[in-house]
Amino acid sequence: QKEVEQDPGPLSVPEGAIVSLNCTYSNSAFQYFMWYRQYSRKGPELLMYTYSSGNKEDGRFTAQVDKSSKYISLFIRDSQPSDSATYLCAMTRNTGTASKLTFGTGTRLQVTL
Amino acid sequence: GAVVSQHPSRVICKSGTSVKIECRSLDFQATTMFWYRQFPKKSLMLMATSNEGSKATYEQGVEKDKFLINHASLTLSTLTVTSAHPEDSSFYICSARAPSGRGETQYFGPGTRLLVL
Repeated sequence: QKEVEQDPGPLSVPEGAIVSLNCTYSNSAFQYFMWYRQYSRKGPELLMYTYSSGNKEDGRFTAQVDKSSKYISLFIRDSQPSDSATYLCAMTRNTGTASKLTFGTGTRLQVTL
Repeated sequence: GAVVSQHPSRVICKSGTSVKIECRSLDFQATTMFWYRQFPKKSLMLMATSNEGSKATYEQGVEKDKFLINHASLTLSTLTVTSAHPEDSSFYICSARAPSGRGETQYFGPGTRLLVL
């Protein structure tokens, strides 16, 4: 069993839809949670990070963490074609000097006109 | 936000040659940088952790003599692919650990596409 599970998609939604992207994890030691967006042939771009259960909002993006269920989500409101990309969840145990990230496989999102 | 650059963005080389990729943190100091490799439509695979002033820590299965890492300053880490072969062709991405106060996040460079002929 992988430490982090993420549906690879592809997920196709019409423009303006609300998108829900999810990851589950098995290791309760994970404390910091991140969402990255990666366009084709580019490096990942940090969208959101959080370390506590609950919601964190930034513009059209909302990150949700439920540590009791080991489940994190990213919601995108009013989705745009420019949101078409691969979304990677990532998490870390907070090991101090070597905070390795454990990634999900990434979900490919396509927002259609 | 924190900006990380990589150079070159793409490189084509002949089999047997060595290729050096630079990773720079532009507006912050990074004591720790990471090197990843990514295959098409796959997630990132951590190759090594680079710490300023000390030897890099390689992940299991990554040849340290093949992939030389040097972190000579707080803003620069380099990855040298020695005696490159076609199977080394890949997308190489570096990241830098976020400045203090931004959690345990990493900021990524734009990646370097290596093609070995």
